[in-house]
Amino acid sequence: SQTIHQWPATLVQPVGSPLSLECTVEGTSNPNLYWYRQAAGRGLQLLFYSVGIGQISSEVPQNLSASRPQDRQFILSSKKLLLSDSGFYLCAWSGKMNEKLFFGSGTQLSVL
Amino acid sequence: KQEVTQIPAALSVPEGENLVLNCSFTDSAIYNLQWFRQDPGKGLTSLLLIQSSQREQTSGRLNASLDKSSGRSTLYIAASQPGDSATYLCAVVTGANNLFFGTGTRLTVIP
Repeated sequence: SQTIHQWPATLVQPVGSPLSLECTVEGTSNPNLYWYRQAAGRGLQLLFYSVGIGQISSEVPQNLSASRPQDRQFILSSKKLLLSDSGFYLCAWSGKMNEKLFFGSGTQLSVL
Repeated sequence: KQEVTQIPAALSVPEGENLVLNCSFTDSAIYNLQWFRQDPGKGLTSLLLIQSSQREQTSGRLNASLDKSSGRSTLYIAASQPGDSATYLCAVVTGANNLFFGTGTRLTVIP
């Protein structure tokens, strides 16, 4: 069966520090991968999605970047965090044919 | 741009009641619609997926309907239980696996 792992679960970082959140999927190959952000009281915002290794699409201009160095690994990064980067970050995967979306357990990021 | 709205934002019901959650979307050109459940501080769990050609899907006490032409979906929960308390989100897929999420309905089932 397929599983998705996302870590860390919580993270407190000072403004200006770098960020690296990692997400890995097991039990499937060539998945579509996604990073979402959920701000308090707001809906989920798609940040990045990837349909294959090295293929990254960005949905909104921002202080973040994403990379997919391996088929089942998706990384969210920042060189210098801003206060506005605080939020709940969710990684997700799906198959190729508009199938169900499966989410990781999320990372609560607080930038202070 | 697709916009997804969920009403009400919050709902409290006594245990055992049947209830309906609503989701509306502005662009009817969708591939599918999904309903998710989110517990506080947790990720999302997929509940039901309705393809654009379908009108409803059922899983246990949950039934989701889709009226694509009117841009509406409902999630019906029968015989609600305290364990059903969570935030329920709907999302529509418009292409290239681009999901647009509503802001959710926070459900509280009172024992």
